Amino acid sequence: QSALTQPASVSGSPGQSITISCTGTSSDVGSYNFVSWYQQHPGKAPKLMIYEVSKRPSGISYRFSGSKSGNTASLTISGLQAEDEADYYCCSYAGSSTYVLFGGGTKLTVL
Amino acid sequence: EVQLVESGGGLVQPGGSLRLSCAVSGFTFSTYEMSWVRQAPGKGLEWVSYISSSGNTIYYADSVKGRFTISRDNAKKSLYLQMNSLRAEDTAVYYCARWDLPELCFDSWGQGTLVTVSS
Repeated sequence: QSALTQPASVSGSPGQSITISCTGTSSDVGSYNFVSWYQQHPGKAPKLMIYEVSKRPSGISYRFSGSKSGNTASLTISGLQAEDEADYYCCSYAGSSTYVLFGGGTKLTVL
Repeated sequence: EVQLVESGGGLVQPGGSLRLSCAVSGFTFSTYEMSWVRQAPGKGLEWVSYISSSGNTIYYADSVKGRFTISRDNAKKSLYLQMNSLRAEDTAVYYCARWDLPELCFDSWGQGTLVTVSS
C-alpha cells in the first residue's frame, strides 16, 4: 500500500496557473477514473475539490480542473488567488484489497 | 446541512485502547458508506478503514489490520473506531469521512479528533 507520489511543494504568483501531479501505478490511478483532490488549510478538515478525475462539486470554482494520463493525474489551478494557498492531496480508489490511497500532499504557496 | 462530529480522542499509553465515535446529521446515514482517515502531526492523509452502509463489508489499511475495528450503528447515526494495542505511530488527528457512491470520493469530513499515544 504505497502512497501516491506528489511534489512536496509548488508555488506561483497571483493570476498564474500551477499544476500538481499525482503519480500512481497501473493498479490504482491507471486502472480507475476515481481520482479525487482535496484542499486542506492549516488546522482545518480536507475539502473535496475534484472527483472522478475532472468533475467539480457544486460550489467549487471553475479555476480548479483535473485530468489524467496513464498512471498520473493532475490538478491545475488557474488564476491563482491568495486563498488557494493550502495543502493539496490526491486520492485514488485502488480496488477491493487496497481500497483507497492518498498522495503525500503538496504545499501550494502563492507568492 | 451535513455534519460529522468526532469524539473520543485523547492521551493514551502505548499498548492501550481508545474508542472513537462520529455522530452524523443532515443526511440519511444508513444509506452511506463511511471511512476513517488519519493525519499524523505535520504529515499527510492516510486512509484507515472503510465500512459499507449495512456494515457487512469492511476494509482496513495494513498498518492497523488486527488492531483496529470499525463499526456503525445506523439507528444512532454513529460511526465508531475501536483502537487496541496502540502505538506511538498511531498518534494523529482522526477524521470520519463520508464515502460517496458512485463517485468513490470523500465528499464530507468531520473536524477530527486528536489521538496521542505516549507514555
